Amino acid sequence: DAEITQSPRHKITETGRQVTLACHQTWNHNNMFWYRQDLGHGLRLIHYSYGVQDTNKGEVSDGYSVSRSNTEDLPLTLESAASSQTSVYFCASSENQGLGSIAFFGQGTRLTVV
Amino acid sequence: TQLLEQSPQFLSIQEGENLTVYCNSSSVFSSLQWYRQEPGEGPVLLVTVVTGGEVKKLKRLTFQFGDARKDSSLHITAAQPGDTGLYLCAGMDMGRRALTFGSGTRLQVQP
Repeated sequence: DAEITQSPRHKITETGRQVTLACHQTWNHNNMFWYRQDLGHGLRLIHYSYGVQDTNKGEVSDGYSVSRSNTEDLPLTLESAASSQTSVYFCASSENQGLGSIAFFGQGTRLTVV
Repeated sequence: TQLLEQSPQFLSIQEGENLTVYCNSSSVFSSLQWYRQEPGEGPVLLVTVVTGGEVKKLKRLTFQFGDARKDSSLHITAAQPGDTGLYLCAGMDMGRRALTFGSGTRLQVQP
């Protein structure tokens, strides 16, 4: 069965370190997204990609970067981790189905920056 | 940035009661989706509504999209403990083909 997986599921890192969160999908979807989820804010869009070599900034992109070298993967990098980036991160993918597009989410990565 | 406001934020009810969750925005969305999320898991899609005034039913859940496509509601009839979870509405921004999420309604159904 097709799926979307994130790794690691839990990560503790120190302030100032570079951290990369992995996202891998086997749906062969063109669109991939990274969100962060914090209490009281729902899910907020960090970065998204429509296809290989395409990346775009979302509402809360400062301090984060992504790259899309193939269809399956969209790794999220925190250039210099800050305590404000402690959060749960979700990756999602969807097809180009327009109005009815369904997004499939990974199980999330809980990141703690100390 | 398009914003979605959900109400109430928290809801604790007894098994068998009915409830309604609201999702409101000042912006028009091309479509609106409802997700349910359980602890330690990602959101899972429940329904997509596309047409203004559209009503969709999923067993005991009824979803409605406002005529102006700015608001939506989720009504649960005879709630069960298995309905417990975080309910999220999300509007599709066709310019970006990305979802904008509301802050969520945390529902707890007591047996």
